Amino acid sequence: QKEVEQDPGPLSVPEGAIVSLNCTYSNSAFQYFMWYRQYSRKGPELLMYTYSSGNKEDGRFTAQVDKSSKYISLFIRDSQPSDSATYLCAMSASSGSARQLTFGSGTQLTVLP
Amino acid sequence: DGGITQSPKYLFRKEGQNVTLSCEQNLNHDAMYWYRQDPGQGLRLIYYSQIVNDFQKGDIAEGYSVSREKKESFPLTVTSAQKNPTAFYLCASSAGQRAETQYFGPGTRLLVL
Repeated sequence: QKEVEQDPGPLSVPEGAIVSLNCTYSNSAFQYFMWYRQYSRKGPELLMYTYSSGNKEDGRFTAQVDKSSKYISLFIRDSQPSDSATYLCAMSASSGSARQLTFGSGTQLTVLP
Repeated sequence: DGGITQSPKYLFRKEGQNVTLSCEQNLNHDAMYWYRQDPGQGLRLIYYSQIVNDFQKGDIAEGYSVSREKKESFPLTVTSAQKNPTAFYLCASSAGQRAETQYFGPGTRLLVL
């Protein structure tokens, strides 16, 4: 079993829809939770970063962490065709440890105009 | 412009050949990383370096080698011992040891002839 599980999709939604992307994990030591967006044939870009449980909002994006369920989510409101990309979740057990990022396999999202 | 550059964008390797992928950053970041990305899979850590002249193996270091002679440069050599080198290679960097906020380069796609 992988430490981080992410539904690969593909996921297609109409423009303006609310998108929900999710990851589950098994390592209870994870404390830092990130979402990266990766356009085709490009490097990932950091989208959201959350420490411990709770919600974090940035514009149309909301990241949620439920440590009790070992479940994280990324919500995209008013989705746009420019949001079409692969979304990767990533997690870290501790700060100050350079190597400890574990990635999900990514969910491919297409927003249809 | 601050950022991470990787070259070349595409690289072809012949059987038995070593090839070197370049990664340069001008973000003044201490830590640098190399990842491999295969279709439908998350990023897997090959090597990382927290300071100059020091580096550690990641999860899939076999068949790869690195050096860190300068803070801004972290080249990756794919040796002939790596039997399945075809993949998308991503370099990243982070400030200090904050692995949870890594910034990625545009990637190099390596293909075997």
